[in-house]
Amino acid sequence: DGGITQSPKYLFRKEGQNVTLSCEQNLNHDAMYWYRQDPGQGLRLIYYSQIVNDFQKGDIAEGYSVSREKKESFPLTVTSAQKNPTAFYLCASSIDSRGARVQPQHFGDGTRLSIL
Amino acid sequence: ELKVEQNPLFLSMQEGKNYTIYCNYSTTSDRLYWYRQDPGKSLESLFVLLSNGAVKQEGRLMASLDTKARLSTLHITAAVHDLSATYFCAGLVKTSGSRLTFGEGTQLTVNP
Repeated sequence: DGGITQSPKYLFRKEGQNVTLSCEQNLNHDAMYWYRQDPGQGLRLIYYSQIVNDFQKGDIAEGYSVSREKKESFPLTVTSAQKNPTAFYLCASSIDSRGARVQPQHFGDGTRLSIL
Repeated sequence: ELKVEQNPLFLSMQEGKNYTIYCNYSTTSDRLYWYRQDPGKSLESLFVLLSNGAVKQEGRLMASLDTKARLSTLHITAAVHDLSATYFCAGLVKTSGSRLTFGEGTQLTVNP
């Protein structure tokens, strides 16, 4: 079955540590996205990528970094510069980057990140 | 820049009742989406609305879009407990890389 796989499901970060969240999709989608969700709030866009080897900052990119070396993969690194990383992180993908086709974004099951 | 506002943010209703969730957006949106999220879970796509006057229905949920008023509604008919979840609307602007802008979500609780 096609889908989006995020790992790990739970992650703990120590002070000063960088951690990387994995996102893999086998839907052959062009575009991929990372969102952050804080308790009781909506989703905020961190980074997005429309094609391989290219990505753009979203609304809250500070303290995060991404790469898009393969179409299937879009890992997110939460750096030590992100002082308040505790949140639920959701990865999504969509079939094309221009929104030309009528398809919603598909979401992974999320990674819950906490500070130790 | 697209902004999306939902109301109410919290909704507690009795089984069997009807209610509407409202989603207002600030500028032209090329698409309007509705998603459902169960506690601690990911988002599930419910509806995609494309054009003015669009109406889509699935079970007890019906979504509509009025592009002139920049308003989408999600109407719940004869609510049942299984509909308890958080519902998000999101707008998409194609010229901004097809990014979605989400509303804050409406947390719906259906009581027996």
